[in-house]
Amino acid sequence: NAGVTQTPKFRILKIGQSMTLQCTQDMNHNYMYWYRQDPGMGLKLIYYSVGAGITDKGEVPNGYNVSRSTTEDFPLRLELAAPSQTSVYFCASLQRRKGSGFDEQYFGPGTRLTVT
Amino acid sequence: RKEVEQDPGPFNVPEGATVAFNCTYSNSASQSFFWYRQDCRKEPKLLMSVYSSGNEDGRFTAQLNRASQYISLLIRDSKLSDSATYLCVVNSISGGYNKLIFGAGTRLAVHP
Repeated sequence: NAGVTQTPKFRILKIGQSMTLQCTQDMNHNYMYWYRQDPGMGLKLIYYSVGAGITDKGEVPNGYNVSRSTTEDFPLRLELAAPSQTSVYFCASLQRRKGSGFDEQYFGPGTRLTVT
Repeated sequence: RKEVEQDPGPFNVPEGATVAFNCTYSNSASQSFFWYRQDCRKEPKLLMSVYSSGNEDGRFTAQLNRASQYISLLIRDSKLSDSATYLCVVNSISGGYNKLIFGAGTRLAVHP
């Protein structure tokens, strides 16, 4: 298994440009997440999905959109890039345990985005 | 109040030292607890789950106090390779769905 893969690894955008960050997992996990991590800070949840066709906002969704047409893919879209979106973006997936518990959350290697 | 709060750090300790990290969480309904490790410019990786009875994995011991909503991680005999940021993670129920909430992390630097 490749686990969680993200592309691109690095990207520089100009203000106002748009792009899509790709995320794919091959573990057949239902839950997928997008986080951003600013320098020296913790992870902030942008959007998450509990299964194909279902997405919901996290803590910091403004300026982003997501879709989940398949179990494997969970792309993150930036429509009008702003300097405040300069960050490292991590995609993650997990499979719920039975009951209310969680299994390990697996992370992709991250996408480093700079908006200038 | 943040849902998950950690010691701000950084912790600078010599090799061989014992160091403890603390974490508090606000959602009393939380049922899953973890410690993740994040190396500089890398993705977080699971260090260990935290069970109600406490659990140990080699030099690492995790404790959970549900009454106080408090989680701890103890590292004994610190190694240079333990230098990283340690993230406390707790599940949170919101809008009918479970999410994992990450603390801001505590940075550990082990020096010779």
